[in-house]
Amino acid sequence: QVQLVQSGAEVKEPGASVKVSCKASGYIFTSYYIHWVRQAPGQGLEWMGRINRDNGGAIYAPEFQGRISMTKDTSLSTVYMQLSSLGSGDTAVYFCAREVRFGVGATDYWGQGTLVTVSS
Amino acid sequence: TVLTQSPATLSVSPGERATLSCRASQSVKSDLAWYQQIPGQPPRLLFYEASTRATGIPARFSGSGSGTEFTLTINSLQSEDFAVYYCQEYNNGYTFGQGTKLEIK
Repeated sequence: QVQLVQSGAEVKEPGASVKVSCKASGYIFTSYYIHWVRQAPGQGLEWMGRINRDNGGAIYAPEFQGRISMTKDTSLSTVYMQLSSLGSGDTAVYFCAREVRFGVGATDYWGQGTLVTVSS
Repeated sequence: TVLTQSPATLSVSPGERATLSCRASQSVKSDLAWYQQIPGQPPRLLFYEASTRATGIPARFSGSGSGTEFTLTINSLQSEDFAVYYCQEYNNGYTFGQGTKLEIK
C-alpha cells in the first residue's frame, strides 16, 4: 500500500534551518510528483511547492522563494524539504503529499505530518 | 488565483444535506479538488477535476462546477462528516481556499 512516512518533530531557534524528510513506499517513486503543504496551528492549508517526478526540478510558492529547497534521493525513495531563516510564523505542521497522477495537481496520499516549532 | 469558500462555518443536523461553495477569482477550468480534514489528521482527498470522486469516497459526497464556481454537496450527513473542508485549484498554481467548518447543529 502507498505510504508516505515523514521524519519526527523538530524544535528550531529563530534564524535556523530545518530539513524534513518524506519516505515513500508502495509505488514507483519516480512516477509521481510530491508536494509540500503546511498548516499553522488553528489555520488553513498553505501550499509550499512541488518536486518533479523525473529530473528533480521544483517549483515553489512565491512566499517561500529564496529560503526553500526541495530535493530527492531516488535510491532511498525519499524527498526532502529544507526551509531556512525560520521565524515564529514558520511554526506549523508540514505535510508531504503525492499527486494523483501526472497532469492532475490534486494529492491523494499524505504523510502523517511533521511539527516544526520555532522558538528561542 | 484566490479561492473563496462559503460559508466559513455551516451548522447542519445529522441526516440532512450540506452544500459548500468555492469561488475562484479567475477561471480554473475543472482543475479543482476538495479535501476533508479532521483535526489532528492530514487532509483526505474527496474529489479532483471538480467531480471525480477519489478512491473510497462514499456516494453521498458529490462535487460539481467548472470555471469559477464549484460546489461540494454531502447528502445524509453522518457523524464522521463533520470536519473542515478545503478546495484547492491546480490550474494557475496550487492555491487552497480558507476552509469551511461543517459542524453539528
